[in-house]
Amino acid sequence: GAGVSQSPSNKVTEKGKDVELRCDPISGHTALYWYRQSLGQGLEFLIYFQGNSAPDKSGLPSDRFSAERTGGSVSTLTIQRTQQEDSAVYLCASSLRTGDQPQHFGDGTRLSIL
Amino acid sequence: TQLLEQSPQFLSIQEGENLTVYCNSSSVFSSLQWYRQEPGEGPVLLVTVVTGGEVKKLKRLTFQFGDARKDSSLHITAAQPGDTGLYLCAGGETSGSRLTFGEGTQLTVNP
Repeated sequence: GAGVSQSPSNKVTEKGKDVELRCDPISGHTALYWYRQSLGQGLEFLIYFQGNSAPDKSGLPSDRFSAERTGGSVSTLTIQRTQQEDSAVYLCASSLRTGDQPQHFGDGTRLSIL
Repeated sequence: TQLLEQSPQFLSIQEGENLTVYCNSSSVFSSLQWYRQEPGEGPVLLVTVVTGGEVKKLKRLTFQFGDARKDSSLHITAAQPGDTGLYLCAGGETSGSRLTFGEGTQLTVNP
C-alpha cells in the first residue's frame, strides 16, 4: 500500500520478554517518528529519525527502549525486558522532509504485557 | 515541559449542531497541528497553522491559531455523524522536532 505500514498490528507477550515492532514508512520519506499512546492519553514522543542526521532519542523512557532505521527506510523499535507499564499502542509516522511535522501515521501496534 | 490542554474531553451532540474544541497552553509554539483519530487507526493530519492569528478553513471545519501562538480552536459547523472521532491538537517547538500532543477531545455526533 501507499501508507505507513506497521507490524504486527497486535502483540501480546509476557512480562520480561523482549519485543520488536516494525515500521515501513512511505517510500521516499526522510523523516520517521515513533510515538506511543496509552489508553485515555495523548501521544507521547519517543524518537525521531531525521534523514542522515543523528536521531533525536530524547523521548525514550528508559534504556530498555531502542530503535534503529536501516538504509533510511524501515525502522524497528525494540523493548527489552518488557514491563506492564509498557502496554500501549505504538505509532509510527513519516514525513517527506526532515523539516516537516509528522504527516502520515500508521495504524499502530497494540502491545499488551501480561 | 510544554503542556497542551484540550477542552472539553468529551462532547456528544446532535447532527446539525455547531461545536468548538479548545487547545490551550502557557507555552508558545512555532506551529500547531490538528489531527482526527478513529478507533484502531492512526491520527490523520487535518491542518497545520504557523502564524499567530491565522485562520484556516477546511469545508465545515475552521481552525484558528491564537495571536500569541499559545492556543488554538477548532470549530465545526453543522456537525455530521462522520465527524465522530478523537480530535487531537499538537504543538511544534521547532521545525522538524517532536510534537507535544493534547489528550484529545472525543466527539460523538448522533444522527
